Amino acid sequence: TAGITQAPTSQILAAGRSMTLRCTQDMRHNAMYWYRQDLGLGLRLIHYSNTAGTTGKGEVPDGYSVSRANTDDFPLTLASAVPSQTSVYFCASSDYYGYTFGSGTRLTVV
Amino acid sequence: QQQVKQSPQSLIVQKGGISIINCAYENTAFDYFPWYQQFPGKGPALLIAIRPDVSEKKEGRFTISFNKSAKQFSLHIMDSQPGDSATYFCAASPGSARQLTFGSGTQLTVLP
Repeated sequence: TAGITQAPTSQILAAGRSMTLRCTQDMRHNAMYWYRQDLGLGLRLIHYSNTAGTTGKGEVPDGYSVSRANTDDFPLTLASAVPSQTSVYFCASSDYYGYTFGSGTRLTVV
Repeated sequence: QQQVKQSPQSLIVQKGGISIINCAYENTAFDYFPWYQQFPGKGPALLIAIRPDVSEKKEGRFTISFNKSAKQFSLHIMDSQPGDSATYFCAASPGSARQLTFGSGTQLTVLP
């Protein structure tokens, strides 16, 4: 089934540790995105990539970095996790017809 | 800065009733207005979308009403069913393939 694959599904991470959330798509979409979802705040854009080799900052980029080495993969890295980064993270890709989201990674920073 | 304001935060409706969720936006460059449906443990999925060249779009029991002058749009769910219980997000962007700005979400519960 075509779509977005995110890994891991959930993770508990000690504050100060680093972690990479993985995202892979098989739809050959040029644009990809990382959102975080927090209760009452909706989905907020962290970083985006309009095409392989380019990335940009969204609404809440601090503490996160991304790379886009190829069309299919768009990993999100937390260099030194803090408790405020506890959230559900969604990767998405888009074409003219709209966005496709992954199933999310639930991250708890303790 | 919240560019898309969504209300209510939560909504409880009886089976067969009409569910109405409202959104307002500020950025006049927005020209694509989708609604997403999210079930627990899943990612959001596109439900229905509208562009400002029409004032209404209907797909089955779901209707988007759009008021360009007021910069408002709403989702109406007719004959609401318990299976419609989910979180609904409105969103907006300057084009369908551009970065979406989401509302804060509405948790809908349809009572049997």
